[in-house]
Amino acid sequence: KQEVTQIPAALSVPEGENLVLNCSFTDSAIYNLQWFRQDPGKGLTSLLLIQSSQREQTSGRLNASLDKSSGRSTLYIAASQPGDSATYLCAVSPHFGNEKLTFGTGTRLTIIP
Amino acid sequence: GAGVSQSPSNKVTEKGKDVELRCDPISGHTALYWYRQSLGQGLEFLIYFQGNSAPDKSGLPSDRFSAERTGGSVSTLTIQRTQQEDSAVYLCASSLEDTYEQYFGPGTRLTVT
Repeated sequence: KQEVTQIPAALSVPEGENLVLNCSFTDSAIYNLQWFRQDPGKGLTSLLLIQSSQREQTSGRLNASLDKSSGRSTLYIAASQPGDSATYLCAVSPHFGNEKLTFGTGTRLTIIP
Repeated sequence: GAGVSQSPSNKVTEKGKDVELRCDPISGHTALYWYRQSLGQGLEFLIYFQGNSAPDKSGLPSDRFSAERTGGSVSTLTIQRTQQEDSAVYLCASSLEDTYEQYFGPGTRLTVT
């Protein structure tokens, strides 16, 4: 059974700093990995999707990397802003794709102005 | 374009009553998913529809839960004889077959009193 872990559970950093969020998964036979953000009381917003054949994806100040063989992904946020404060979730889909995502428990990020 | 929409946004019901939750996926998305997010359980998969294939119901927690998808578009999740442990946010997502990137709706917050 796939298990996804995110450490730390919570993180506070001053505005302007660069930061890294971590995600690890136990079964490397994945189709893709997605990073989401969730604001309090809201749904999930997709940030980045990395296919299993890819090593990284970039969108603006966000960069996600994937090391499938070691079961790890990182989300790098450059020049953090207060608006980045949210819970960040990673999720993996099985090898055959387009099926249920298994989610991590999330990292609650607070950017201190 | 329009994203995934869900209704109602909030639902309060008495224990033992039946409830129906609705999801309108992004137009043209062939796959539709239901997830549940509750305190202490994180995000868990419930059911997945893909085109005309039989749905994957492996995540439904009990036979009180059922879902249907009419005309390959709108989906309804029905919970019969609701229990207090059913209180959670129910999230719907949809995706295309090419990238399998899942897009989530805002969720329905269900409270069973």
